[in-house]
Amino acid sequence: QQPVQSPQAVILREGEDAVINCSSSKALYSVHWYRQKHGEAPVFLMILLKGGEQKGHDKISASFNEKKQQSSLYLTASQLSYSGTYFCGTESSNQGGKLIFGQGTELSVKP
Amino acid sequence: SAVISQKPSRDICQRGTSLTIQCQVDSQVTMMFWYRQQPGQSLTLIATANQGSEATYESGFVIDKFPISRPNLTFSTLTVSNMSPEDSSIYLCSVERDNGYGYTFGSGTRLTVV
Repeated sequence: QQPVQSPQAVILREGEDAVINCSSSKALYSVHWYRQKHGEAPVFLMILLKGGEQKGHDKISASFNEKKQQSSLYLTASQLSYSGTYFCGTESSNQGGKLIFGQGTELSVKP
Repeated sequence: SAVISQKPSRDICQRGTSLTIQCQVDSQVTMMFWYRQQPGQSLTLIATANQGSEATYESGFVIDKFPISRPNLTFSTLTVSNMSPEDSSIYLCSVERDNGYGYTFGSGTRLTVV
């Protein structure tokens, strides 16, 4: 099942904060976050693993609630470069790369 | 992190024809993944390609339509066969990042079928 992201779209002014949520109906092994700019490939931001380990971007943070099968991506003091579509990708077991992506959240940061 | 060279970057094809997309990685990787991204949509995994074995296809994707080759640990191809306009999408390959956390994507192939 595809994870559900919310909101679908958000518009920010530079310097404002945003939270993007990702919720799955299945037990999760890991949650990934990617950003895709228009016409470009998705770029890895962060991975959150079952058990609490996190690896990724040093200016973007995220949380992973294993019991609720939910993850949130926190974008603080947003910059123009943060604009793009954010996707969460979930792994339900350590199957080596079998990611199921959410439908995406379009983030626009305005000056 | 691994660098992927994917080509062609875009193509316009006639219905009924086939297109082969290539991905070359600058390091050896065990698994390569092929995704489809329909216009304005999310990414959907087509198949996983391991060197030396048949690709593993996800539900809704079949080998006859999307044959995959994986001749060595740095290269893979995906063929979109007998194309129809519904196959118009961006196709991307992906590999695990060098540190084992997360995945790197190729730049994608934007396919338009007319």
